[in-house]
Amino acid sequence: AQSVTQLGSHVSVSEGALVLLRCNYSSSVPPYLFWYVQYPNQGLQLLLKYTTGATLVKGINGFEAEFKKSETSFHLTKPSAHMSDAAEYFCAVSDTGRRALTFGSGTRLQVQP
Amino acid sequence: DAGVIQSPRHEVTEMGQEVTLRCKPISGHDYLFWYRQTMMRGLELLIYFNNNVPIDDSGMPEDRFSAKMPNASFSTLKIQPSEPRDSAVYFCASRPRQGNEQYFGPGTRLTVT
Repeated sequence: AQSVTQLGSHVSVSEGALVLLRCNYSSSVPPYLFWYVQYPNQGLQLLLKYTTGATLVKGINGFEAEFKKSETSFHLTKPSAHMSDAAEYFCAVSDTGRRALTFGSGTRLQVQP
Repeated sequence: DAGVIQSPRHEVTEMGQEVTLRCKPISGHDYLFWYRQTMMRGLELLIYFNNNVPIDDSGMPEDRFSAKMPNASFSTLKIQPSEPRDSAVYFCASRPRQGNEQYFGPGTRLTVT
């Protein structure tokens, strides 16, 4: 069975500071990994994904994530936070067999001026 | 493309009433997923379809829930009878045959009083 753990349900950073949102996964087969963002009262929007190949993945809005198999991690980072980054972020995993996504519990990012 | 379309966006109903949620996936996508989001349980997969055929309905809470996909461009999720604990945001997502990411609709916020 697959599972995703997101450490920290709430993260607060200052505008311009580094954003680091943590995600660890469990999967019995090579995983596909995703980060989604959800703004208030909206659906989920894909930020980035890892399937195969390069382990450092770049996404939209300046975000990137690195797949580390040895650590079973897929942490999301952004060098400089912007006020517009305030939202809830979800890490998700799937595999080639099961098409559906298993989501983490989410991390709410707050950006202070 | 208009993206995944869901209707209604908000639904308020009384306990015992039938509720029908609707979804139009992105044209050409082969997979359709129904998720439920609550504060207590986060994002949960309810059911997914491949080429209009239900593949995995293990997440459907109980017999009060049913989902259909009569054609490639339309799906419904029905709750009969509804209960207050069904209050949640219900998301529909679709995915192309090739590719791994899912595209989410804006969700339907259901309140059962």
